[in-house]
Amino acid sequence: SQQGEEDPQALSIQEGENATMNCSYKTSINNLQWYRQNSGRGLVHLILIRSNEREKHSGRLRVTLDTSKKSSSLLITASRAADTASYFCATWKGSGGSNYKLTFGKGTLLTVNP
Amino acid sequence: DTGVSQNPRHKITKRGQNVTFRCDPISEHNRLYWYRQTLGQGPEFLTYFQNEAQLEKSRLLSDRFSAERPKGSFSTLEIQRTEQGDSAMYLCASTENTGELFFGEGSRLTVL
Repeated sequence: SQQGEEDPQALSIQEGENATMNCSYKTSINNLQWYRQNSGRGLVHLILIRSNEREKHSGRLRVTLDTSKKSSSLLITASRAADTASYFCATWKGSGGSNYKLTFGKGTLLTVNP
Repeated sequence: DTGVSQNPRHKITKRGQNVTFRCDPISEHNRLYWYRQTLGQGPEFLTYFQNEAQLEKSRLLSDRFSAERPKGSFSTLEIQRTEQGDSAMYLCASTENTGELFFGEGSRLTVL
């Protein structure tokens, strides 16, 4: 089962614009992560935000976390054509008190048009 | 450190044949994961190893699938009697803890 759900499923913008993707999750978390995947490639870790953090920045990326709403957002500022990719949020999930697997949503496909 | 390596990158096989994928994780990582990803979906957990011990397996992992990690280093994922529904990208990842996962480039399987 998928833990996170990204919204929107697809997003198309022009170069220079900002892109915002949202993620909702179901159970309590220790941290939430965002990954990027270029077509046909593996996933690359972008940023991790801990449950006691509300906002985190990394370069042109800004992630927010609202644990009361069980939601997170990823903002990419001043987008570039090279940002075209699928973006996934992910949280650790498990059973018996052990969070052993990182579970992913279905992702948001971002297309940045030159 | 060359990152996580997966081989082969692409495999085309006929239904009923067996296939094996190999994953070489980052050397100091004790956890190794296998995921499956189909078009338009996120990666789905298949199984994971802590050193050489296979600790969890998903219900997605039918008895035609077997994974090993001898000596806690590289891992293999074998699919016996492949079916068309097995066509997917098989992703391997490794980590030291419950933080960031480091993924390989994946092995794409096409079953004809």
